[in-house]
Amino acid sequence: SQQGEEDPQALSIQEGENATMNCSYKTSINNLQWYRQNSGRGLVHLILIRSNEREKHSGRLRVTLDTSKKSSSLLITASRAADTASYFCATGGFKTIFGAGTRLFVKA
Amino acid sequence: GAVVSQHPSRVICKSGTSVKIECRSLDFQATTMFWYRQFPKQSLMLMATSNEGSKATYEQGVEKDKFLINHASLTLSTLTVTSAHPEDSSFYICSARKPQVVQSDTQYFGPGTRLTVL
Repeated sequence: SQQGEEDPQALSIQEGENATMNCSYKTSINNLQWYRQNSGRGLVHLILIRSNEREKHSGRLRVTLDTSKKSSSLLITASRAADTASYFCATGGFKTIFGAGTRLFVKA
Repeated sequence: GAVVSQHPSRVICKSGTSVKIECRSLDFQATTMFWYRQFPKQSLMLMATSNEGSKATYEQGVEKDKFLINHASLTLSTLTVTSAHPEDSSFYICSARKPQVVQSDTQYFGPGTRLTVL
């Protein structure tokens, strides 16, 4: 089962630009997490935002959460070629359910 | 952070054979582990929840007789793909739930196992 959609499905930007990815989910949540996955590799946990939080920062990452709209966004500022990867949101609870993902390509 | 390992990292097998994938929590005891499957360029789909000492709980559409899960100890869960066919070729990822005094829903993911069935 999947929670919902991520938007866009794919994103191509130039190095130095900001990248914004959006995620919508269907059910009530305790928290929402964002992960990165390089091609064919395992997951890297980026950030967790709790249902009572609206915004959270970690380095070049900024995550927002709107529980009334059941949506979240991940902003990567000043992107680098090394940020090229797939990004997934995942809703937390007893089970972690993943969104469809956004494939980000950062051109050097 | 906690560490979860998977073995093997890659496996190639012939159609009709069975393949066992191990998931281990290396520095904590995990009463619950989860198995995911990921097809190329797709997201992770939860297959089943593995509970130590009891039967696994399978998600809708996942054949429990084809994907056998055993969680015999607090640090090991195994997924056996029985009578594997080419359509079972996928990336299989496990995660382990780390129990804490204050519930934090923290899960730790293994590096994944790439299964190719010829």
